[in-house]
Amino acid sequence: GAVVSQHPSWVICKSGTSVKIECRSLDFQATTMFWYRQFPKQSLMLMATSNEGSKATYEQGVEKDKFLINHASLTLSTLTVTSAHPEDSSFYICSARVGGGNSNQPQHFGDGTRLSIL
Amino acid sequence: DQQVKQNSPSLSVQEGRISILNCDYTNSMFDYFLWYKKYPAEGPTFLISISSIKDKNEDGRFTVFLNKSAKHLSLHIVPSQPGDSAVYFCAAMRGFKTIFGAGTRLFVKA
Repeated sequence: GAVVSQHPSWVICKSGTSVKIECRSLDFQATTMFWYRQFPKQSLMLMATSNEGSKATYEQGVEKDKFLINHASLTLSTLTVTSAHPEDSSFYICSARVGGGNSNQPQHFGDGTRLSIL
Repeated sequence: DQQVKQNSPSLSVQEGRISILNCDYTNSMFDYFLWYKKYPAEGPTFLISISSIKDKNEDGRFTVFLNKSAKHLSLHIVPSQPGDSAVYFCAAMRGFKTIFGAGTRLFVKA
């Protein structure tokens, strides 16, 4: 149980385009999902917390207009990288926690999306 | 300011021996501590956790030890297997926020 599916797994696109990444909880409802970014050989950096039916909470230094988050249902959150540039190239990972954001349950992660902007 | 630190970027162990992965933290208010395992091009997978009120939790080959006075936790894997080769992330939770360490790459040699 507690499977999180993330699509696509790999995206290559031209600079200036927008890219949407989907994160789905397949067998549980997730009122809260998390979006992370990982640079090579570095830790997972929390970008934002996605709340179903309300605005996302962004971490300091993360541009909300650049990284649009929509949590339209209890099983789906999307991250859109708008007008992507080469410096946005990275590994993006979503996660969700059974029981909601405040539970003590561990986060379950998607397999990540490798974004390469040419 | 790194609240969760994994000071060893890599560790190499012989198959069958014990692997010990270490993690230090600075915030005494963390509620839970977790270890995740990550293979390349995949998301992290939860391994084992420990509440801040305990000092040991064991699950099969994996044991996590917590030393609150030293703000230190460790993951012991015994016996180590080649399939354990991966990056291991230590994480600490407070409320709904989870903070991850930078990871330690474990190599288990056959």
